[in-house]
Amino acid sequence: EAQVTQNPRYLITVTGKKLTVTCSQNMNHEYMSWYRQDPGLGLRQIYYSMNVEVTDKGDVPEGYKVSRKEKRNFPLILESPSPNQTSLYFCASSPGGGTKTQYFGPGTRLLVL
Amino acid sequence: KQEVTQIPAALSVPEGENLVLNCSFTDSAIYNLQWFRQDPGKGLTSLLLIQSSQREQTSGRLNASLDKSSGRSTLYIAASQPGDSATYLCAVMGETSYDKVIFGPGTSLSVIP
Repeated sequence: EAQVTQNPRYLITVTGKKLTVTCSQNMNHEYMSWYRQDPGLGLRQIYYSMNVEVTDKGDVPEGYKVSRKEKRNFPLILESPSPNQTSLYFCASSPGGGTKTQYFGPGTRLLVL
Repeated sequence: KQEVTQIPAALSVPEGENLVLNCSFTDSAIYNLQWFRQDPGKGLTSLLLIQSSQREQTSGRLNASLDKSSGRSTLYIAASQPGDSATYLCAVMGETSYDKVIFGPGTSLSVIP
């Protein structure tokens, strides 16, 4: 089944403890992206990747890192999480960048205490 | 900086009614515009994607139009059903096919049986 998977789905952590949220797609898509969704602010793009080893900043990259060492994986790294990073995170992928639609993962709900 | 707005923020209609959701964007230099649906607690599902060179796209009871020069898109839903109840989001991608994506805040639709 074609899908975008994220792990974990739910995470509670404490300020400063490094964490990684994984994202994997099995559709051989080139474009992958991370978003966060907050009440009143909507969905905002954090980072995106056009292909292996090619990434760029979205609108809200501060406090986050990403890597794209393999085409199928696009992990989101929070080196030192803070409470303002409490949010619902979505990973998405697309086969041809803007020529094709994006497929979204189920979301990861993160709470930073 | 691109800004995307959606009107109305919320809409409640009786079943069977035709309805229009609006999306506006400030920078007409876009590569595409997408409409998504989000059910409570779930990820996003793509509905329609319109390339900047296109004027409209149709899928079943849904029709999306794009007027790039005026910075507007509409999503028309015919013969609404209770199952259409969800939040509808529009998103624009920047000038190239591998660029930033900016989402609107969404319209929350409730279709009353």
